[in-house]
Amino acid sequence: KAGVTQTPRYLIKTRGQQVTLSCSPISGHRSVSWYQQTPGQGLQFLFEYFSETQRNKGNFPGRFSGRQFSNSRSEMNVSTLELGDSALYLCASSTDRGWTGGYTFGSGTRLTVV
Amino acid sequence: TQLLEQSPQFLSIQEGENLTVYCNSSSVFSSLQWYRQEPGEGPVLLVTVVTGGEVKKLKRLTFQFGDARKDSSLHITAAQPGDTGLYLCAGEGSWGKLQFGAGTQVVVTP
Repeated sequence: KAGVTQTPRYLIKTRGQQVTLSCSPISGHRSVSWYQQTPGQGLQFLFEYFSETQRNKGNFPGRFSGRQFSNSRSEMNVSTLELGDSALYLCASSTDRGWTGGYTFGSGTRLTVV
Repeated sequence: TQLLEQSPQFLSIQEGENLTVYCNSSSVFSSLQWYRQEPGEGPVLLVTVVTGGEVKKLKRLTFQFGDARKDSSLHITAAQPGDTGLYLCAGEGSWGKLQFGAGTQVVVTP
């Protein structure tokens, strides 16, 4: 079966701009989580969506937002980009009870802010 | 602040040697998961452990979950170059939220 698909793979943006990243989960998976990975902070949780509802949110500023559509696809948006937002953004999907089977991650979107 | 402490940070060994990576926490998690990540790719799930004291074996990999569900270890027997990668442990608390350790970079040379 198809894995988790993230688009685009690479993105270069200028400070102050905004960006939208997309994630298509595995068919049948209704939970989508987003993570930011940087060399200094490692993998940090952004938020999780299930059935179009945000169930959990990490400690990131309000510039980071997301949503989930009825087909479980999810997008995350970062407004007013800062240099420190440069990172690998990963999404992961699972069935509702992720702890029984773990999560499947996409290959990520590499965002560079200049 | 990392809730999960991984050690060592870096491990370089020769093919055929054994290695152990440790993951320790002051918190209890509903499950603990191990992932391996290669450069430019997302983490790939290796195993999920749920029960305190649980031991799981996947070919040359052995995973243990501590009795108190706060610590875990990953042991690789007879490492191969294909085992090279960043090994990450992650604890699951509330819905869909994984707390990751900083990772252990493993390099296996032929």
